[in-house]
Amino acid sequence: DSGVTQTPKHLITATGQRVTLRCSPRSGDLSVYWYQQSLDQGLQFLIQYYNGEERAKGNILERFSAQQFPDLHSELNLSSLELGDSALYFCASSVIGTSSEQYFGPGTRLTVT
Amino acid sequence: ELKVEQNPLFLSMQEGKNYTIYCNYSTTSDRLYWYRQDPGKSLESLFVLLSNGAVKQEGRLMASLDTKARLSTLHITAAVHDLSATYFCAVVDFGNEKLTFGTGTRLTIIP
Repeated sequence: DSGVTQTPKHLITATGQRVTLRCSPRSGDLSVYWYQQSLDQGLQFLIQYYNGEERAKGNILERFSAQQFPDLHSELNLSSLELGDSALYFCASSVIGTSSEQYFGPGTRLTVT
Repeated sequence: ELKVEQNPLFLSMQEGKNYTIYCNYSTTSDRLYWYRQDPGKSLESLFVLLSNGAVKQEGRLMASLDTKARLSTLHITAAVHDLSATYFCAVVDFGNEKLTFGTGTRLTIIP
């Protein structure tokens, strides 16, 4: 158990819908990262937050948005969902930034039908 | 744009043998991660390499980083079945903190 929690574990929804994925980092970790893993695209970095501020942005679609709240939990919002958005979404946390080890949550499996 | 290449993509080894997985990347970086992923599971951090010449070892796994050659290696010594998994390297882009993953190496250890 990495100490990073993600909810929900599984999510099935229809095209065009909007969903919110939630991540709670390990106690004391200030950075949160979001990743997408699919068979087509492999593992992709989406976005990083540090202490509430966006730190780095990867291949995140405009239909996706994220934020980190004052209690350091983070949410990833996916809207206007398409079949191709079906994937595993991982959250990770680290003490500071990318110089420190990242601990991954169990992931949320999103299926868009 | 930073590109990360891992090879081989698939590796089938006999128990007791040694082998190396390679991770090449295209632009300047001094931060590289290695991860392990078991089927249907999340990623587990194995090593964080933060400087040229960095070498880290944990059990039968040893990772090294050569920033001048833009190359990292993950060496497996005397493989055992428990090491069967997919291994990913990931590189931090020096300019923008963006993390880019390699394609992964699926390692199967045969008794």
